[in-house]
Amino acid sequence: GESVGLHLPTLSVQEGDNSIINCAYSNSASDYFIWYKQESGKGPQFIIDIRSNMDKRQGQRVTVLLNKTVKHLSLQIAATQPGDSAVYFCAENNQKLVFGQGTRLTINP
Amino acid sequence: DARVTQTPRHKVTEMGQEVTMRCQPILGHNTVFWYRQTMMQGLELLAYFRNRAPLDDSGMPKDRFSAEMPDATLATLKIQPSEPRDSAVYFCASGPLRDVDNEQFFGPGTRLTVL
Repeated sequence: GESVGLHLPTLSVQEGDNSIINCAYSNSASDYFIWYKQESGKGPQFIIDIRSNMDKRQGQRVTVLLNKTVKHLSLQIAATQPGDSAVYFCAENNQKLVFGQGTRLTINP
Repeated sequence: DARVTQTPRHKVTEMGQEVTMRCQPILGHNTVFWYRQTMMQGLELLAYFRNRAPLDDSGMPKDRFSAEMPDATLATLKIQPSEPRDSAVYFCASGPLRDVDNEQFFGPGTRLTVL
């Protein structure tokens, strides 16, 4: 069946460095992808999305890359800040959203 | 600013009791989603509504769970009878457009503990 998974359950980076969070998806029919950020005790918060007819999209300090050939999605966060500490989920859409298990990002001072 | 609200934020109940969780979607949004989050299963879609009509509730145990939208400003998720395995955080989300392939705005969640 379809699944969305993350390569790493945890990621630790130095403050100021760039972070890259990866996600693999298995359903080649998925046409839309979203990255969410979830802070402790809060609901997921939309970060950025990308449609399958694109391979890159940029936001404020964040970039999402989509490689449909290998069914891989990544979220890049530039100049990581303490406020970026959270669990990050990728989600793919094919009829409905399916979420990955999440990657916990921690920032070292 | 507009946001999804959920009540209660926390609920502790005993096995067998009825639990009702409420959600007020963002005004003007016409899709509403219910999710359950646990450490083991992550985020699972339970049900979603479009223009108040249920479109997909395949993720929801039908024998004890029910989801309704009595009006455009209120969505409810009910569990009767509740069981300890229902303990989780339940999120409601709403979306501004007609299709599911668009941004969903999540509420703060209801943390349910069934003893």
